[in-house]
Amino acid sequence: GESVGLHLPTLSVQEGDNSIINCAYSNSASDYFIWYKQESGKGPQFIIDIRSNMDKRQGQRVTVLLNKTVKHLSLQIAATQPGDSAVYFCAEKVGTGRRALTFGSGTRLQVQP
Amino acid sequence: DSGVTQTPKHLITATGQRVTLRCSPRSGDLSVYWYQQSLDQGLQFLIQYYNGEERAKGNILERFSAQQFPDLHSELNLSSLELGDSALYFCASSPSGGRAYADTQYFGPGTRLTVL
Repeated sequence: GESVGLHLPTLSVQEGDNSIINCAYSNSASDYFIWYKQESGKGPQFIIDIRSNMDKRQGQRVTVLLNKTVKHLSLQIAATQPGDSAVYFCAEKVGTGRRALTFGSGTRLQVQP
Repeated sequence: DSGVTQTPKHLITATGQRVTLRCSPRSGDLSVYWYQQSLDQGLQFLIQYYNGEERAKGNILERFSAQQFPDLHSELNLSSLELGDSALYFCASSPSGGRAYADTQYFGPGTRLTVL
């Protein structure tokens, strides 16, 4: 069943294409950022993180870009697969301050076969 | 599988009732966090416990309370339930107190609460 809200922005891509999911954060003091993936009926799953002293970090098929000047974060997924279909959330926190994560509203990624 | 377990998976109850949600953190993790995910509010932090003690509080209602036991499992108690409390409740755990950059939070599968 559905695990998140129905009014999320949706990104629809073809299988094999690259996907870019964007996130704007609000707290200029945030210095640690995480991307989570949430599949229907499941909890958020950690994908990749980045500290504010970096502007890019790469994982397996995923890259996170951070632009602190405009408080913008993006997640790039290479060669998108049907299994990538999910809701993606960015989360922020002040690394040595608040303990809790502040989540963005999420983007639904739909991969067309 | 994150290693965090939550029970029950689904819970249906009536307004005015009280329920208890249970969470077991990943082996070795000392912190447990509770989040609420509703359709209109997204994922909201409720409360954090670290090694049995409350460490941080978010948007948790007074009707809600939590505790962490010596074996580090945690329970979230929701009382005087209202229709608006219907949501997914997630538990997450992390190795330490949450301040460090690398103290990643790993989420459980959630409990879907429906208040009728």
